[in-house]
Amino acid sequence: QQQVKQSPQSLIVQKGGISIINCAYENTAFDYFPWYQQFPGKGPALLIAIRPDVSEKKEGRFTISFNKSAKQFSLHIMDSQPGDSATYFCAASKGETSGSRLTFGEGTQLTVNP
Amino acid sequence: EPEVTQTPSHQVTQMGQEVILRCVPISNHLYFYWYRQILGQKVEFLVSFYNNEISEKSEIFDDQFSVERPDGSNFTLKIRSTKLEDSAMYFCASSEGVGRGELFFGEGSRLTVL
Repeated sequence: QQQVKQSPQSLIVQKGGISIINCAYENTAFDYFPWYQQFPGKGPALLIAIRPDVSEKKEGRFTISFNKSAKQFSLHIMDSQPGDSATYFCAASKGETSGSRLTFGEGTQLTVNP
Repeated sequence: EPEVTQTPSHQVTQMGQEVILRCVPISNHLYFYWYRQILGQKVEFLVSFYNNEISEKSEIFDDQFSVERPDGSNFTLKIRSTKLEDSAMYFCASSEGVGRGELFFGEGSRLTVL
């Protein structure tokens, strides 16, 4: 019940296209859903995050869509650029207090072709 | 921009040896974490630490592992007797405090056990 399922495992898009990565969770106690971006040899870096009181959050080219009833959330990258090529992890945690463990999805390796 | 720093970046050790991985979290952060990532796999939670004690640990964090905050700036992960399967990238992370879920990760320490 702690798992977060992520798909697809890999994704190839053309420059300017839309990249969509999906995640699903089971634990309804999760109340914080971040997306992390990881470049080779680097640590994960927070990209954007959402709490379940909103259905969508947008920051620049990155948008999280959240469907509480379906227990799903997705990352949309508009106008994808070669510099977006990285591994993306969705994650979830529970509890209002920081210090709750993040449960990560399996990751999606995104390649944006020029 | 403040960042989490980790040392060493890469350590090679023989099976059965003790290893200490070191981290300097962001200075005003109150929660500290260790995560690990086996090559090509997802990021997994090991332990969280707050107010000089472990607040949560995963099933991976067995008696071979320990954490310590020996002074006001460092946060260490010790593996007492390394096994081959401990080979992974170990990430330290920190977060600001109550109500803030954003974790900031270091660049990782790659541990290779031979």
